[in-house]
Amino acid sequence: GNSVTQMEGPVTLSEEAFLTINCTYTATGYPSLFWYVQYPGEGLQLLLKATKADDKGSNKGFEATYRKETTSFHLEKGSVQVSDSAVYFCALDRETSGSRLTFGEGTQLTVNP
Amino acid sequence: EAGVTQFPSHSVIEKGQTVTLRCDPISGHDNLYWYRRVMGKEIKFLLHFVKESKQDESGMPNNRFLAERTGGTYSTLKVQPAELEDSGVYFCASSYYYPGQGPHGYTFGSGTRLTVV
Repeated sequence: GNSVTQMEGPVTLSEEAFLTINCTYTATGYPSLFWYVQYPGEGLQLLLKATKADDKGSNKGFEATYRKETTSFHLEKGSVQVSDSAVYFCALDRETSGSRLTFGEGTQLTVNP
Repeated sequence: EAGVTQFPSHSVIEKGQTVTLRCDPISGHDNLYWYRRVMGKEIKFLLHFVKESKQDESGMPNNRFLAERTGGTYSTLKVQPAELEDSGVYFCASSYYYPGQGPHGYTFGSGTRLTVV
């Protein structure tokens, strides 16, 4: 079946540091890939997505590229801010309908000033 | 536009008691999903409604969990009787189908944190 593996957390960085959160997946067919973010006290929000191989999703300075050859979708940001502190989830959908998301375990990011 | 609303936001109950969680999807969203995150693990799918029908309930852990969506509007998820391992955050999401393009507007609620003691 489908599965998503994220790098273990928590991750603690200083402001303006470079961020990488690794995500690899196992899936049949050609899923779409997502990064969701949960800020403290809030719900899950879609951060970015990519629907086919070599697509790059980007939003709020974050980027991730759909790499089919390595089955990866690593999240990167060149300069993190304190406001980026949150839990980040990598996810994929089922190929046919996109109705059911499979998530990774989440990575807690803390950015210190 | 109002988002997906869940309540209560927090619930603490004793083992053996019953708890009912509620989710109000975005108006017009036929699809409604329940997910659960237990003990800092991954978020796991529980079930999917299309209007009032259960499209996929393969993620429901056991028969102590009952989900309903009468009239195709809001949904409830009842846990009866609750066990310690049911503690976690329960998320609801909703979406609509765009003809020929699958689900759109997939939006999550803030979740209900359930603690069973």
